[in-house]
Amino acid sequence: AQTVTQSQPEMSVQEAETVTLSCTYDTSESDYYLFWYKQPPSRQMILVIRQEAYKQQNATENRFSVNFQKAAKSFSLKISDSQLGDAAMYFCAYLNYGGSQGNLIFGKGTKLSVKP
Amino acid sequence: GAGVSQTPSNKVTEKGKYVELRCDPISGHTALYWYRQSLGQGPEFLIYFQGTGAADDSGLPNDRFFAVRPEGSVSTLKIQRTERGDSAVYLCASSLNSLQNTGELFFGEGSRLTVL
Repeated sequence: AQTVTQSQPEMSVQEAETVTLSCTYDTSESDYYLFWYKQPPSRQMILVIRQEAYKQQNATENRFSVNFQKAAKSFSLKISDSQLGDAAMYFCAYLNYGGSQGNLIFGKGTKLSVKP
Repeated sequence: GAGVSQTPSNKVTEKGKYVELRCDPISGHTALYWYRQSLGQGPEFLIYFQGTGAADDSGLPNDRFFAVRPEGSVSTLKIQRTERGDSAVYLCASSLNSLQNTGELFFGEGSRLTVL
């Protein structure tokens, strides 16, 4: 069974600085997707960034980028120029391409605080 | 509607009671998902609908949990004989078609269920 591990329950960053959130996963599959979701206090999960495993190039979305290391099964999220609005829970998630089309597997999350 | 709408936002019930949670997906989205998020955990998959049919219900924990989507739009998650362990936030999400094709789920703000 696939698992997703986020080893940092909490992280803190100074406004305008850079922070990296860690995620590792375990799978025997070769085709899959990885995601980072943000969950503010409103509870609504918002997609931050997505990576297809077959793509070697790391995904980027404005201030958000990932470091995808397929062999190491690592998928970290880097947030540059952190803003107060980035404060939230961040969840790493895995989706097997060939499996259930709804079964996203989430980690336990990392709570990010941004200090002004 | 503009986004995924879930009602009620909060529900408090007594052990043994029956509960219904409603999800109204984004108009035109054929795929609908239910997840459960316990305190301090990431969301866990419950069930996935493609149109009116449950394409994958492998995440439903037991036969007290049931979900329907009779017209391929609104879905209702039904929990019979509620137990204190059912207390959680129930998240609904939708996507235009399968997650593998679109790569993005749109989540609602969830229904927080508290069983006393």
